[in-house]
Amino acid sequence: DTEVTQTPKHLVMGMTNKKSLKCEQHMGHRAMYWYKQKAKKPPELMFVYSYEKLSINESVPSRFSPECPNSSLLNLHLHALQPEDSALYLCASSLGTSGGREQFFGPGTRLTVL
Amino acid sequence: KQEVTQIPAALSVPEGENLVLNCSFTDSAIYNLQWFRQDPGKGLTSLLLIQSSQREQTSGRLNASLDKSSGRSTLYIAASQPGDSATYLCAVRRGGGFKTIFGAGTRLFVKA
Repeated sequence: DTEVTQTPKHLVMGMTNKKSLKCEQHMGHRAMYWYKQKAKKPPELMFVYSYEKLSINESVPSRFSPECPNSSLLNLHLHALQPEDSALYLCASSLGTSGGREQFFGPGTRLTVL
Repeated sequence: KQEVTQIPAALSVPEGENLVLNCSFTDSAIYNLQWFRQDPGKGLTSLLLIQSSQREQTSGRLNASLDKSSGRSTLYIAASQPGDSATYLCAVRRGGGFKTIFGAGTRLFVKA
């Protein structure tokens, strides 16, 4: 199984809502990532988890809260978002902590904030 | 600060043509370089990964090269097909961590 799955595929939320994005992989990968991609722009790294511990937080606003409950699952909790947070949110994973590892991406969640 | 540039930004070619996409990066201290394909509104599909110690990688009609000293990589696509139409992104993983820096991509359109 070489697949990273993400749910939901689409999400529309108001600025006062609380929602969560979910990412799952069963490849035994120990590093997992959240990226944000605006239209016609490249993905931008948000968070990296390594062995279920947060390794990198790229100065992301606190209205985005990541969580890694176990080695296969990565969540992104959303609260009090702004319309400019509307984007494609991509999850990725790689085998381990070595920098040489290939990243595999999920299909993304298209988020719209009204 | 690592910067990744892709040229051209967009490319339109007739079916069957061989083509080259370019990627350049400013800091040669990289762990690897990865080429991805992205269809509109979709996730990224990994095409090829080149480790910093390697010069090239091949998969089917695709060949990627890496010249770390000059900060350049190329993706060669042989005998292009309409199904190759997509945005192609290169991404550099810098030394010392997990951070990956993406180029802005090349939008490829292959005409039937």
